[in-house]
Formats: sequence, C-alpha cells, structure tokens
Amino acid sequence: QVQLQQSGPGLVKPSQTLSLTCAISGDSVSSNSVAWNWIRQSPSRGLEWLGRIYYRSKWYNEYAASVESRITINPDTSKNQFSLQLNSVTPDDTAVYYCARDPGWLDFDYWGRGTLVTVSS
Amino acid sequence: DIVMTQTPLSSPVTLGQPASISCRSSQSLVHSNGNTFLSWLQVRPGQPPRLLIYRISNRFSGVPDRFSGSGAGTDFTLMISRVEAEDVGDYYCMQSTHFPQVTFGQGTRLEIK
Repeated sequence: QVQLQQSGPGLVKPSQTLSLTCAISGDSVSSNSVAWNWIRQSPSRGLEWLGRIYYRSKWYNEYAASVESRITINPDTSKNQFSLQLNSVTPDDTAVYYCARDPGWLDFDYWGRGTLVTVSS
Repeated sequence: DIVMTQTPLSSPVTLGQPASISCRSSQSLVHSNGNTFLSWLQVRPGQPPRLLIYRISNRFSGVPDRFSGSGAGTDFTLMISRVEAEDVGDYYCMQSTHFPQVTFGQGTRLEIK
C-alpha cells in the first residue's frame, strides 16, 4: 500500500519561498514507471496541477505554465521523498497542497493528506 | 485552455436513489494514442481526493460497483446507482489528455436530502 506523508510549514510570508516535502512508503521515488506530482486546491482556483518529477534512467520535470517560472520539484533518493519549492509567493498561492502519485497513465491514484499553506505577513 | 464544466454544481439526493453528474470539456479528450484520459475524483469532508474512475469508465481498485462512468469525446457522466451516506462529498472530473495541461471541473457537491 502506497502512503504519502506530507510535511512543511503552514504559514509563509509574501515574497518568500513555500517549501513542502512528501515522504513515500510502499513505492520508490526512483521508480521507472510512475511519476510524483504536486497539486493544490483553493476556493479561487479550484484544483490545480502544479508539476511532477519522474525517473526514466534520468530525472525529468514537467511544470504547469501558470507556475513554471517559480516552481522546483526535486527528488531526495536517500530519504525516498520529493519536495516542492514555490518562489515569490503571494496571497493568491494560499491553498491546500497535495502530493500525489501518477501510476503511469496520467492519473493520480494515491494522495497525501494535504497541507494548508497560508501566505500572509 | 481546456475548460471542464460540471453540472449540476449541487445535487441533493435521497438515500438509495441514483445520482448523476455531467462533465463537458471544451475540446475533445481523445488522445492521439486512442485513449481518453477522463477521470473522476471524490473528495469527502476532511479527506484527500480519491480516484474513483479513470479513462472514462474504469473503476479504480476498491471502488464500489455502484459507481460507473460513461461518455465519449467531450461529454461524460458519473453515475451512482444507489447513493449511500458515505458518498457525501465533492466530485470532480479531470482531464489529462492534453498533458501538461491537466484541468479539473469546478466540482459537484453531493448531499443527502
């Protein structure tokens, strides 16, 4: 059974960097068949896919156009986890952030429990 | 951008009765490989999203058979044959055919009358 455990601060100041981590159990961040994603949900934006990372003999990233200039998703193979960094945040980035697994067919079958991140001074 | 439009936005249903949610996309969701990447997610209060249906009509592991999906092209439907109390929550359609554009419907709230 795949489990995703999220961690990170719930409050970030405007213009600073939002950082979250998703620890994986029951699968590997280096799996050659899946992808690891970040998705957020807010009342104003609804559900929004942010980006993903996956390994196919080397590491690949793909990001949503809406955040491409501000986002970084990295793997940490030593801890079997992956992270999200979103730079230069504004109150519009306030949302519940989820990590999720794509089993290889462009879906999201396992999700973290979500982290509410509020951007406020 | 691919826009996903769900109707209704709210659906009060009597326990044991059927429920139906529609989802329309602004463009065809048929991928060049012939698959249609249209999924349905359930979000119960206080829970993360849960995958119910993938590729229009395939139930994900552990999903009760009272849930079914249908449709083609731009028009899709999620059906619940007999609503149970545990089905209360928000339902979202999602397209990933046009990846990296992944878009979700605005959600339909299912509640018990």
